[in-house]
This record gives sequence, structure tokens and C-alpha cells, in this order.
Amino acid sequence: GAGVSQSPSNKVTEKGKDVELRCDPISGHTALYWYRQSLGQGLEFLIYFQGNSAPDKSGLPSDRFSAERTGGSVSTLTIQRTQQEDSAVYLCASSPGRTNTEAFFGQGTRLTVV
Amino acid sequence: EDQVTQSPEALRLQEGESSSLNCSYTVSGLRGLFWYRQDPGKGPEFLFTLYSAGEEKEKERLKATLTKKESFLHITAPKPEDSATYLCAVRPYNFNKFYFGSGTKLNVKP
Repeated sequence: GAGVSQSPSNKVTEKGKDVELRCDPISGHTALYWYRQSLGQGLEFLIYFQGNSAPDKSGLPSDRFSAERTGGSVSTLTIQRTQQEDSAVYLCASSPGRTNTEAFFGQGTRLTVV
Repeated sequence: EDQVTQSPEALRLQEGESSSLNCSYTVSGLRGLFWYRQDPGKGPEFLFTLYSAGEEKEKERLKATLTKKESFLHITAPKPEDSATYLCAVRPYNFNKFYFGSGTKLNVKP
């Protein structure tokens, strides 16, 4: 079956522009995560969705970042008024649910803010 | 505070030279410890989950072990295709997120 799919693979944007990153999780997975990986850094948690529960937004670095998950499936991470420090690889992962805790990652979206 | 420390940061091995990677963790109640492999330009690839001290998992040349404070990823007779960054992560019981270490970059020379 298909894995986690992210689009676009690469995105170059000008400072101050808004960007949207998309994640299609593995079918049937109820949990979805967004992480950010900066050059030479570890993975930084951004947000977590579980079914229809309110998302855990505790990792979002500023109010320029937001995410939604429609119909319990596809998720979009939006970054408004992008800054150069937002340049990173944005990774999405999905997991079958609360008891099966492995998370499976997509290939990531490499965002470059110029 | 929940945290994960991996060592060494980088490891160079000759093909066939066995070694171990370390993952030390501090967590308020461990739901699971996870090992991932990440190749350049790709997302992390799931390898193992360990749930309790004393547990071991194996896959080909890799073997992961867990104690109450650390996990080891043992690589037996590595091949050049084992070259990658290996990431360790923990998930606490009371939190929804995974805490990742910074990884060990493994380079296996033929």
C-alpha cells in the first residue's frame, strides 16, 4: 500500500509570502504528526492530530504557523509571512492510532525562504 | 524534562567491523522507544519499537536492545548500504509527541 505522501517535495518562496504544505497519511491511520528538521538539527515537534480530538498545537513556534486536518485524513500546514529561519524540511508522519504507536514518515517538503 | 541523547554523533566503520550506537533517554513514563534510519534527502524509515527493559528486536544485521536508561543499536558485520543516519526517539505516556535525538551518522567503508 501507499505510504505517507507529501507535496510539494521542494518549495522555494520569497520572504513574506505564505506557503501551504500538504500531507496525505496512510489510509486508515488516525494519528498525524508534523515535524520540522533544520540542517544538522534533530526533529522538532510541531503539531499532532488524533481522530476528531482537538489537535495538540504545543510545538508550533509562532502564530504564523497553523495546520488543519480535513475529514480525518489530509492535512495542510500553513506558514504565513515566511521568514528565512523557517527554511527547513517539514516532515509529516502518521500512525494507526493510540495503541499502535509507531509513526511512519513521508519524504518531507524542503522549504527554502529567500 | 524528557530528552534523548545519542552517541557518537558520527561513526566510521570498515565493512564487516561490528559496533554499537547508543541512545540515552530521560522520560516520565516510557510508552515506547523507536529506532529509525534516515537516508539523505529522505524521511525517517521505521526500524524497531521497544517497550520495556530487557526487550530485544532484530532485523538483518541490526539488533536493538533496551534498558531503563538507554538503548543500543548493534550493527553486526555492516555493509556500505548500512550507511545512514540512525535516529532514536521516545514517546512518553502522557504526551502525544515523539522526542528525537540528534542522530548518529554512520559511514561504512568498503
